[in-house]
Amino acid sequence: EAGVAQSPRYKIIEKRQSVAFWCNPISGHATLYWYQQILGQGPKLLIQFQNNGVVDDSQLPKDRFSAERLKGVDSTLKIQPAKLEDSAVYLCASSFNPKGNTIYFGEGSWLTVV
Amino acid sequence: GENVEQHPSTLSVQEGDSAVIKCTYSDSASNYFPWYKQELGKGPQLIIDIRSNVGEKKDQRIAVTLNKTAKHFSLHITETQPEDSAVYFCAASTQGNEKLTFGTGTRLTIIP
Repeated sequence: EAGVAQSPRYKIIEKRQSVAFWCNPISGHATLYWYQQILGQGPKLLIQFQNNGVVDDSQLPKDRFSAERLKGVDSTLKIQPAKLEDSAVYLCASSFNPKGNTIYFGEGSWLTVV
Repeated sequence: GENVEQHPSTLSVQEGDSAVIKCTYSDSASNYFPWYKQELGKGPQLIIDIRSNVGEKKDQRIAVTLNKTAKHFSLHITETQPEDSAVYFCAASTQGNEKLTFGTGTRLTIIP
């Protein structure tokens, strides 16, 4: 079974530029999450989708971050304009449903803002 | 909101010895406590979890204990092996996999 796919794996951009990350969850998984993991810290939830609807985006900096999940499958996370403090690994994860099933994480997209 | 503290931040043990990582949480309503292992360059992988109606759970060399009164839970790895070297994260939630709050991680190194 294919895992959670993310791209690009690595990205270096200058501050104030924009960047987009793509995620393809495990087939059949209705719940999709985007986490931000700053070096030396645990992952922090940015946004959670159930199918193509947003369940929780309370920790998403909406002035610069946006995310969508068209057709309830793939998802895109965008940052515009980027700040130095956005340097982190952006992890996409999926689960069959949010209540009792295992979350499967992708390998992450590493962002460096210079 | 929930706050999860994790200790120690680094841990080195001899191969074959046991390793223990401890976490405390602040929200008494939390009822789901997973542990994740993260290897370099990879995403976290669930290794074991426990719910608040259970005090202990074991899976081969890995066990987790939960003390709801003290609001802390621990990961125990016995007979450690080199492949156990990784960063381990605890997490807590009041709603299953929703709104997971992660600890800051423990870098475990197994010395051959």
